[in-house]
Amino acid sequence: EIVLTQSPGILSLSAGERATLSCRASQSVSDNYLAWYQQKPGQAPRLLIYGASNRAPGIPDRFSGSGSETDFTLTINRLEPGDFAVYFCQQYGSSPGLSFGPGTKVDIK
Amino acid sequence: QLLLQESGPGLVKPSETLSLKCGVSGASVSTSSYYWGWIRQSPGKGLEWIASVFYSGRASYNPSLKSRVTISVDISANQFSLNVNSVTVADTAVYYCARLCTGGSCYTGPGTWGQGTLVTVS
Repeated sequence: EIVLTQSPGILSLSAGERATLSCRASQSVSDNYLAWYQQKPGQAPRLLIYGASNRAPGIPDRFSGSGSETDFTLTINRLEPGDFAVYFCQQYGSSPGLSFGPGTKVDIK
Repeated sequence: QLLLQESGPGLVKPSETLSLKCGVSGASVSTSSYYWGWIRQSPGKGLEWIASVFYSGRASYNPSLKSRVTISVDISANQFSLNVNSVTVADTAVYYCARLCTGGSCYTGPGTWGQGTLVTVS
């Protein structure tokens, strides 16, 4: 089982700043099948990034993903009010099993 | 357009069995390109994969839940189901059904989720 660790747990920033979120895997993620999700209270997670660096349809280019093997990063440029949420990473390279990181909360400073 | 809709009781008593169904429209559960699965999220907590099933009926389970969980697929009804037995308050969660990628289908993303249904054990 691949265990995902996210850091930091909470990131306090102001609108307009850049957010850098980290996701580390306990072993290499096959084919870089690593996704990032955004979740707001009361809503289902929304897919942002798949394959480590591919934006999902409709996701603005302020969101970008990078990394490979065990170290991955989600960067959000020019934070907007709607970006303050919880962000999860997910590996899906060990299909049919999945695993998720514990999440990073991006909140308003 | 693929739509996944969870259905089932919102309240289950401790020690009983939680039963959920996921109706699929816009795609066939008999595809060989995807798995069908369940994910849950306890209040204020993270996401946990529960189980996945292939159209053939081949199932995979999260080891931490395997002893209490059964997942199955009904091709004629184009739906799949989840049973969790001997539930406790710790099984209170939003349960999401999902179409999950496998092999080449993963090139276009990890899959699609339903909106989720809250199940309370009390």
